[in-house]
Amino acid sequence: QQPVQSPQAVILREGEDAVINCSSSKALYSVHWYRQKHGEAPVFLMILLKGGEQKGHDKISASFNEKKQQSSLYLTASQLSYSGTYFCGTEFFYSGGSNYKLTFGKGTLLTVNP
Amino acid sequence: KAGVTQTPRYLIKTRGQQVTLSCSPISGHRSVSWYQQTPGQGLQFLFEYFSETQRNKGNFPGRFSGRQFSNSRSEMNVSTLELGDSALYLCASSFAGTGEKLFFGSGTQLSVL
Repeated sequence: QQPVQSPQAVILREGEDAVINCSSSKALYSVHWYRQKHGEAPVFLMILLKGGEQKGHDKISASFNEKKQQSSLYLTASQLSYSGTYFCGTEFFYSGGSNYKLTFGKGTLLTVNP
Repeated sequence: KAGVTQTPRYLIKTRGQQVTLSCSPISGHRSVSWYQQTPGQGLQFLFEYFSETQRNKGNFPGRFSGRQFSNSRSEMNVSTLELGDSALYLCASSFAGTGEKLFFGSGTQLSVL
């Protein structure tokens, strides 16, 4: 039931774009995205609650395809500060609501070089 | 506004011992979730509490237990420690625990020797 993230790792040069994917085999209530830098706690990026919804702030955005139970995180014009491990987390539908269990993928290590 | 506070920051134990970790959520948050993080495995869900009730738990042995107090502070306990329990244990809090952002603490790094 753990969501599957791809790729496992990606290396960029500053200014390049990247896409991180997250897929689930079960109907989703929500999809979360977090970034964790080495030695620090994960930090919230965004949450998507509706199918087909797209959210974003600054140059990071995400989409949620409800039919495919997939979400993608888009990082455009990457900056050095974007480096870190990105985790998607999923909540499943249960009894008309959430199952109160945010399950995370194994993460995608993003490295942005000058 | 204070963030999520976890104590202690570091722990060293030996096999067979037990350990209790503490988590104080952000004021007003009633949901607390616990995660185990190990290299290569990401964040593994342990359990979630809301208003002193466990609403869900992950696939961990019964040696892992938790509780939540009326002030929303939470503790998790691991009994009969094994080498494989060495990990970073993170707690996260939110208002309702569903469909909203989680605020993570800095974690407790547990080493089992």
